[in-house]
Amino acid sequence: QVQLQESGPGLVKPSDTLSLTCTVSGGSISSYYWSWIRQPPGEGLEYIGYIYYTGDTNYNPSLESRVTISVDTSKNQFSLKLSSVTAADTAIYYCARLGLYCSGDCYYPFDYWGPGTLVTVSS
Amino acid sequence: NQLTQSPSSLSASLGDRVTITCRASQDIISYLAWYQQKPGKAPKLLIYAASTLQSGVPSRFSGSGSGTDFTLTISSLQPEDFATYYCQQLNSYPPTFGQGTKLEIK
Repeated sequence: QVQLQESGPGLVKPSDTLSLTCTVSGGSISSYYWSWIRQPPGEGLEYIGYIYYTGDTNYNPSLESRVTISVDTSKNQFSLKLSSVTAADTAIYYCARLGLYCSGDCYYPFDYWGPGTLVTVSS
Repeated sequence: NQLTQSPSSLSASLGDRVTITCRASQDIISYLAWYQQKPGKAPKLLIYAASTLQSGVPSRFSGSGSGTDFTLTISSLQPEDFATYYCQQLNSYPPTFGQGTKLEIK
């Protein structure tokens, strides 16, 4: 059973860089796509980006100028950096796996999620 | 690609049949997923490919639709079904989510 766990500071100062790591257990990171999604308190879900174990990435255009996602296959981890944060970046940050389900066509839903970690941007 | 869910909130009783609608601003064929989120928890995948039930999800959940109009139906509400439900399009990047439908006990 694949499990994901986010880790990192829960409080970040405005204009600083938010850094989170997701550790994957119960399976190898060297397959599938791995993603970050966030949810401001009481609000909906926003896709941040994904990374493949080869290092290929895709970012949400709304955040692309500030986001970097990286992978460390030796540790079965992937990481998120979000620069120049403001209060609007306060959210629960989830890491998730993009599953692969094929039956003729192929579908990539988010099938495994970490429990999420609240990051507050405040001085 | 914007997704609009309706209603935004819904009150229902145990045993009721409920339907939640998700409308896409563009044709997404059948590239739609549904998630359930309980307070303080991560979303859980219920359905992908508009109508395919994820392994382990009870059969009282079903999905239908294609193109721009989709529905999630719960045939007989159980206590554990009271939660917020999100649709998500998988047709194009960035993937986007509906705003959510909060299902509450009447």
